[in-house]
Amino acid sequence: EAGVAQSPRYKIIEKRQSVAFWCNPISGHATLYWYQQILGQGPKLLIQFQNNGVVDDSQLPKDRFSAERLKGVDSTLKIQPAKLEDSAVYLCASSRDAFQETQYFGPGTRLLVL
Amino acid sequence: GQSLEQPSEVTAVEGAIVQINCTYQTSGFYGLSWYQQHDGGAPTFLSYNALDGLEETGRFSSFLSRSDSYGYLLLQELQMKDSASYFCAGMNRDDKIIFGKGTRLHILP
Repeated sequence: EAGVAQSPRYKIIEKRQSVAFWCNPISGHATLYWYQQILGQGPKLLIQFQNNGVVDDSQLPKDRFSAERLKGVDSTLKIQPAKLEDSAVYLCASSRDAFQETQYFGPGTRLLVL
Repeated sequence: GQSLEQPSEVTAVEGAIVQINCTYQTSGFYGLSWYQQHDGGAPTFLSYNALDGLEETGRFSSFLSRSDSYGYLLLQELQMKDSASYFCAGMNRDDKIIFGKGTRLHILP
């Protein structure tokens, strides 16, 4: 089966600019996650979707970050405006449902904010 | 709060055995997963322990003791390709997964 797809793979922007990331999960996976991974740290959950509903967005900086999963398939994560500290790898993952302990990760998007 | 603690780095010799520990402080964790991440790559799932005891998958084994809030990943017959970061991740009763900060494994020839 095809894995989790993400684009772009790399992005360089200046602070205060906007950026958007796209994720296509594994077909049939109901649960989709967005993580932020800062260099040298573990992934930090930003938002979790179950189908097209939000399950957990407690760690999402809602003043600048937004995410949506229309039709319960693809998802986009947006940052507006970006700050220097947003430089990180943004990982998308999916699982069959919220009760699955196994998540499948995409290759990630490396964001550098200058 | 909920947190998982791992050593930041571990060094071992090719062909040897290494154990990476993970302790967690939380109420309600009911499972511990392990992920491997090579530099520049995405985390990949290695194993999951829902119950106390040892789970074996080839050269990798994982152990959980819920009474001690402790688990470990055991890697045997180390190969150079095992050089990577290893993350423990706990699932709590709200079905949310929290990752540790990761252990970087260095393997010497």
